[in-house]
Amino acid sequence: DGGITQSPKYLFRKEGQNVTLSCEQNLNHDAMYWYRQDPGQGLRLIYYSQIVNDFQKGDIAEGYSVSREKKESFPLTVTSAQKNPTAFYLCASSIRTGPGEGNSPLHFGNGTRLTVT
Amino acid sequence: QKEVEQNSGPLSVPEGAIASLNCTYSDRGSQSFFWYRQYSGKSPELIMSIYSNGDKEDGRFTAQLNKASQYVSLLIRDSQPSDSATYLCAVKESGSARQLTFGSGTQLTVLP
Repeated sequence: DGGITQSPKYLFRKEGQNVTLSCEQNLNHDAMYWYRQDPGQGLRLIYYSQIVNDFQKGDIAEGYSVSREKKESFPLTVTSAQKNPTAFYLCASSIRTGPGEGNSPLHFGNGTRLTVT
Repeated sequence: QKEVEQNSGPLSVPEGAIASLNCTYSDRGSQSFFWYRQYSGKSPELIMSIYSNGDKEDGRFTAQLNKASQYVSLLIRDSQPSDSATYLCAVKESGSARQLTFGSGTQLTVLP
């Protein structure tokens, strides 16, 4: 079955350490996204990528980095520069849509819950 | 920053009643509108999409869109306890390749 796999489900790190969250999809989608969700809040866009070897900052990119070396994979690194990294991280993918194009919903992975102490 | 606003709730309705969830958006040129359901601790799942003014029905769910008023709603008929979740409104902005802007969600509780 096609889908998006995020790993691990739970991740614990000490403050000051970098940590990388994995996201793999076999839906053959061009576009991939990383969102962050804090308790009682909606989703905020961290980074997105419309095509391999290209990505753009979202609304809250500071303290995060990504790479897109393969179509299937879009790992997110939470660096020590991120001041409040504890959150629920969601990876998503979609058929690529540009400005003026519509109608492509997001497919989400199951999320990674990161706790930094 | 373009905005999507939802009443945060919590909204409580008795089992069998109609639950009404509302969402307003600031970008008049927005094209596509989605409702996602998110159970506690889980990822969002798509339940409805709507692109044209009017109503769209799918089972117990009806999405309503009014672009002139920049308003989209979700009605859940014959609400069940299993509908208890947070409902997220998402809007695709015009002139953007960055996909969706999400509201903060409305928490719905259906009381048995």
